[in-house]
Amino acid sequence: TQLLEQSPQFLSIQEGENLTVYCNSSSVFSSLQWYRQEPGEGPVLLVTVVTGGEVKKLKRLTFQFGDARKDSSLHITAAQPGDTGLYLCAGERGNAGKSTFGDGTTLTVKP
Amino acid sequence: DADVTQTPRNRITKTGKRIMLECSQTKGHDRMYWYRQDPGLGLRLIYYSFDVKDINKGEISDGYSVSRQAQAKFSLSLESAIPNQTALYFCATSDFAARGTDTQYFGPGTRLTVL
Repeated sequence: TQLLEQSPQFLSIQEGENLTVYCNSSSVFSSLQWYRQEPGEGPVLLVTVVTGGEVKKLKRLTFQFGDARKDSSLHITAAQPGDTGLYLCAGERGNAGKSTFGDGTTLTVKP
Repeated sequence: DADVTQTPRNRITKTGKRIMLECSQTKGHDRMYWYRQDPGLGLRLIYYSFDVKDINKGEISDGYSVSRQAQAKFSLSLESAIPNQTALYFCATSDFAARGTDTQYFGPGTRLTVL
């Protein structure tokens, strides 16, 4: 059983559309990270959220951490082809702080 | 951000050969990790180290070993490579001791092919 479930697994949209991807769990996390990975490269950190209900914005990307710290969402406004990639969430549980990664959402934005 | 380097970037080898993948970081982060990534399977943790004297197995450690030679260096060995170890391998670091979160910084990856 995957600790962190990401949905959808694949998403293909047209440039200019909005989208939301989800990261869900039944466990509570002390913090949660979102990463983006492009083909053949390592994941790159987008954001870390630590407080329940926290909302962070990074240009057209909006990240929200659930009130109970069990889930998170990433919303992209007016998607662009450069947003194409694999979006991974990762959560830390407890003071040990070792992260567990979800399997990711593969996003394709068509021109 | 951590400057994480991996060598080699690409490697083709034969079944039964011993292979070492190396990882170095220049930011003094305490934690280092090795992952493998296969199509459709996400990142799977092989080994991790919280400091030089601390080495821990991840979810898929069989067939692999590691060495944390210094705070900045963490190498992964395949003692006798087999074809199903063909994958993309990533090293990562985190500065948990200073930041209090396990935000990870990844290297560029090593593409390993075992024939």
